[in-house]
Amino acid sequence: QQQVKQSPQSLIVQKGGISIINCAYENTAFDYFPWYQQFPGKGPALLIAIRPDVSEKKEGRFTISFNKSAKQFSLHIMDSQPGDSATYFCAASRGTSYDKVIFGPGTSLSVIP
Amino acid sequence: KAGVTQTPRYLIKTRGQQVTLSCSPISGHRSVSWYQQTPGQGLQFLFEYFSETQRNKGNFPGRFSGRQFSNSRSEMNVSTLELGDSALYLCASSTQGGSTEAFFGQGTRLTVV
Repeated sequence: QQQVKQSPQSLIVQKGGISIINCAYENTAFDYFPWYQQFPGKGPALLIAIRPDVSEKKEGRFTISFNKSAKQFSLHIMDSQPGDSATYFCAASRGTSYDKVIFGPGTSLSVIP
Repeated sequence: KAGVTQTPRYLIKTRGQQVTLSCSPISGHRSVSWYQQTPGQGLQFLFEYFSETQRNKGNFPGRFSGRQFSNSRSEMNVSTLELGDSALYLCASSTQGGSTEAFFGQGTRLTVV
């Protein structure tokens, strides 16, 4: 029940296309859903995060869509660029306690010119 | 504002030795979490410290230990190193842990030979 599932494992998108990464969770107590971006040799960096009181959050080319009833959330990268090539992790945690953040297994995104 | 600093960046150790890794969190952050990242296992939670107390612990053997000092700096120790301990060790700091934003350091790349 503590797991966060993520798909696909890897993704190849052409420049200008839309990249979509999906995540699912079981624990309905989760109330914070961040996405992290990690470049080779670097630590993960917070990209965008959402709480379950909204269904969508957009920051520039990055959008999180959240479906509370389905216990799913996804990251959409519009107009994908080669510089977006990185590994993306979704995560979840509970705000009512200080439980650890649970990470999905990651998606390796390659944006080809 | 300075980011999360991990030292050293790279380490090569021999099987059976022990190692200590250091993490200096962002000023004002009281929560420090440690993760092990490997290609096959993704980001695996080791433990979290908050105000010098271990608050959460992952499923790692007792060879992995940590501590946090009064200035919130944290150290992680691995004793009796095994080849399988080769990984990128990341620490993340946040103000309260859980559903507050976590900021990662660049990690310490440990290679056990």
